[in-house]
Parts: sequence; C-alpha cells; structure tokens
Amino acid sequence: DAGVIQSPRHEVTEMGQEVTLRCKPISGHDYLFWYRQTMMRGLELLIYFNNNVPIDDSGMPEDRFSAKMPNASFSTLKIQPSEPRDSAVYFCASTDTGSRQRQYFGPGTRLTVL
Amino acid sequence: AQSVTQLDSQVPVFEEAPVELRCNYSSSVSVYLFWYVQYPNQGLQLLLKYLSGSTLVKGINGFEAEFNKSQTSFHLRKPSVHISDTAEYFCAVSDLDNAGNMLTFGGGTRLMVKP
Repeated sequence: DAGVIQSPRHEVTEMGQEVTLRCKPISGHDYLFWYRQTMMRGLELLIYFNNNVPIDDSGMPEDRFSAKMPNASFSTLKIQPSEPRDSAVYFCASTDTGSRQRQYFGPGTRLTVL
Repeated sequence: AQSVTQLDSQVPVFEEAPVELRCNYSSSVSVYLFWYVQYPNQGLQLLLKYLSGSTLVKGINGFEAEFNKSQTSFHLRKPSVHISDTAEYFCAVSDLDNAGNMLTFGGGTRLMVKP
C-alpha cells in the first residue's frame, strides 16, 4: 500500500490567491482527517469525514476554509482567499474502525502564503 | 472532552543516555493512548499504543510506555537513545466511546540527541 498521498508537497502562493490541497487516503479506510500544524498552535484537527460525509468541521478556522470528499479515494481542502497566517503544514490522515483508532498520516503539504 | 499535556517542549539528551518524555491526560471516560513520532519534514508515525491489558507497552525503535491510570499518565521511555531518535514526539488520546475515531494531541516534545 502506498500510504496516504498528499499533493502538492510544497505550495508557495501570494495573499488573496486560492489554494487547493489534495489527499488520497489508504484504500478501504472510511475515515479521513485534515490537520494543520504550526509552531504557535501545534497540531489542530480541522475537519473529519466518515464515509465521505463531513462529521465535525468545528476546527475549520473561518469561512475561507472548505473541504470536500467527493468519493472514498479523494479529498480536497481549499482556502479562498489565502492569507499569510494560513502558512502551515497541512496533514491528511485516514483510518478505519478496524484500526482501533490508529491514524495513518500523509507526508503533509507545506503552505507558504506571501 | 479530553486534553493532553506534554510537560516538556524540548528534551536535550546525550547519545546512549536514557530518556523519558512525559505525558498526562484528562478524560471523564476510559481512553486509548498513543505515542506518535514526527521526523523532520515527514508526517506522524505511530510508535506505540495502549488499548487494554498490560500497562507496559512496547513499541518500535526500542521505545516503551507505561499507562498509569491513577496518575493519568502515559510516559514514554527509552533506555539508550541514538542520534536517529532526534524528532518530535506527540502523545494522543481517544476515548473508548469515540465512534468518530478522533484523536486529541498534546503539544509535542522535541527530543534532541547530542553526540
């Protein structure tokens, strides 16, 4: 198994631009999580899906952030418009009920907003 | 609601010395406990987990952790560290009733192994 795949690995953009981060979970996993990691705030859960349905988006910081999961093998996290304070590493993770809550993390996308 | 406290943000240690990374949690229900490791520029990897049974849990790379219910702690230990253990370590908790498989993470401890 290739593990959780995220793209791009690095993204540099200018303030005001739209940013789309992508994630492919491990095949067969029915839970998908988006996290943000910064020095100041550590690792924060933004949103998670179960069977492609958003279950808890209380961690999404603002309306500028949105996430979708159109099918079991693909999810996006979009920021529009982006701001410098959105600069962070964004991780995607997946799991299934049989994994007893062990989450498998992708390598992350390092986002820099200038 | 749960919370996780990692008391040390950084732990410097010399190579081949023992190390303990501290983790305390609070929860009103029974929990599962995890330690994850993050090497530079990588995602998090599971080191070990406690679900039930023996309170001493052995993980990868020679690490172990002990669940202490009375002290609500899950400290991570290694008897002799290597340079390659330099990384950030995260303690995490999930409650047994959590059908959503959500994890609550601590703030992380940066382990710095010096030659």
